[in-house]
Amino acid sequence: KQEVTQIPAALSVPEGENLVLNCSFTDSAIYNLQWFRQDPGKGLTSLLLIQSSQREQTSGRLNASLDKSSGRSTLYIAASQPGDSATYLCAVITGANSKLTFGKGITLSVRP
Amino acid sequence: GAVVSQHPSWVICKSGTSVKIECRSLDFQATTMFWYRQFPKQSLMLMATSNEGSKATYEQGVEKDKFLINHASLTLSTLTVTSAHPEDSSFYICSARGRKVVYGYTFGSGTRLTVV
Repeated sequence: KQEVTQIPAALSVPEGENLVLNCSFTDSAIYNLQWFRQDPGKGLTSLLLIQSSQREQTSGRLNASLDKSSGRSTLYIAASQPGDSATYLCAVITGANSKLTFGKGITLSVRP
Repeated sequence: GAVVSQHPSWVICKSGTSVKIECRSLDFQATTMFWYRQFPKQSLMLMATSNEGSKATYEQGVEKDKFLINHASLTLSTLTVTSAHPEDSSFYICSARGRKVVYGYTFGSGTRLTVV
């Protein structure tokens, strides 16, 4: 059974800091991995999608890497801003039923 | 990019009544849709998976007679909470996926249901 872990559960950083959010998964046979952002009381916004054959994806100040063999992914946020404050969820797709398995998320607070 | 529209964004209903939530894929064909429930400060809990034209598959512990799911077309799935009670109050989110898994999942904006 796939398990996704995100540690720590919460993170508080000053504005401008570069930061790395970590995600680990137990079953390396994944189709792809997605990073999502969720603001309080809102749905999920897809940030980056990394297919199993890829090693990283970039969008603006965000960069996500994937190391399937070690079961790890990182989301790098450059020059963090207060508007980046949200919960960041890592999810992997595995198995014949192709369901998403989520981590519990990292709640990020960027202090002005 | 892929867009999923979910309505309503919030709803208040009386105990014992039914509420329908809609989830539409606006610019792609959603062969599979998923319904999640989220409690405050907790992660998403998958309730059911629906494929267009077939019956939904419910996760263990989810009452299929209380949470009716219909996926009649490639762009629309509905979740009906029947005979709602206060314990059904929650945040419900839908997700849609096209034919190719490699393109990932798109989520709706969620529906806050409050049963009074």
